[in-house]
Amino acid sequence: AQSVTQPDIHITVSEGASLELRCNYSYGATPYLFWYVQSPGQGLQLLLKYFSGDTLVQGIKGFEAEFKRSQSSFNLRKPSVHWSDAAEYFCAVVNSSASKIIFGSGTRLSIRP
Amino acid sequence: GAVVSQHPSRVICKSGTSVKIECRSLDFQATTMFWYRQFPKQSLMLMATSNEGSKATYEQGVEKDKFLINHASLTLSTLTVTSAHPEDSSFYICSASGLEASTIYFGEGSWLTVV
Repeated sequence: AQSVTQPDIHITVSEGASLELRCNYSYGATPYLFWYVQSPGQGLQLLLKYFSGDTLVQGIKGFEAEFKRSQSSFNLRKPSVHWSDAAEYFCAVVNSSASKIIFGSGTRLSIRP
Repeated sequence: GAVVSQHPSRVICKSGTSVKIECRSLDFQATTMFWYRQFPKQSLMLMATSNEGSKATYEQGVEKDKFLINHASLTLSTLTVTSAHPEDSSFYICSASGLEASTIYFGEGSWLTVV
């Protein structure tokens, strides 16, 4: 069965520091992977997605993620965080027919001034 | 880009009444729509998957008679919370998908408060 694990519930980093949010998936075939960000009381905004090709994916707001099949991971990174990056981040996996989307439990990011 | 619109964004209803939330794909045909529920500080929980013209597929534990989903056209799906109770208060989000997983878009969400 498909599943997504985000092992970190809450992460705090200093403004300007680098960031890495972890995501591990379980899926039989090559998955379609997404990272979304959600600000309090708001909907979801797509940061980036991976379907095939280059395993390093660039997204909006300076985010990137790397698909590592051997580790079943799709970690989200940003070289220098801004206070506005404080939000909840969700990793998601979708099967190729888009018949089901599974979300991770989310990681709450706090930024230390 | 493609947009998925949800309406209303916020709704307050009295306990025992029913409330309908609409999800529209504005510039593409959504063969599949998903409905999610999100409690405060929690992840999105898939409630049901609906395909145009057919009955929705509900996830385990979701009451299909309470959460009625209709996907009558390729651009509109509705979620009706029947006989709402305070515990149904939550953030409901829909997403719409075209023919491929690459075309999955989310609505802005709808806050439901049952008083």
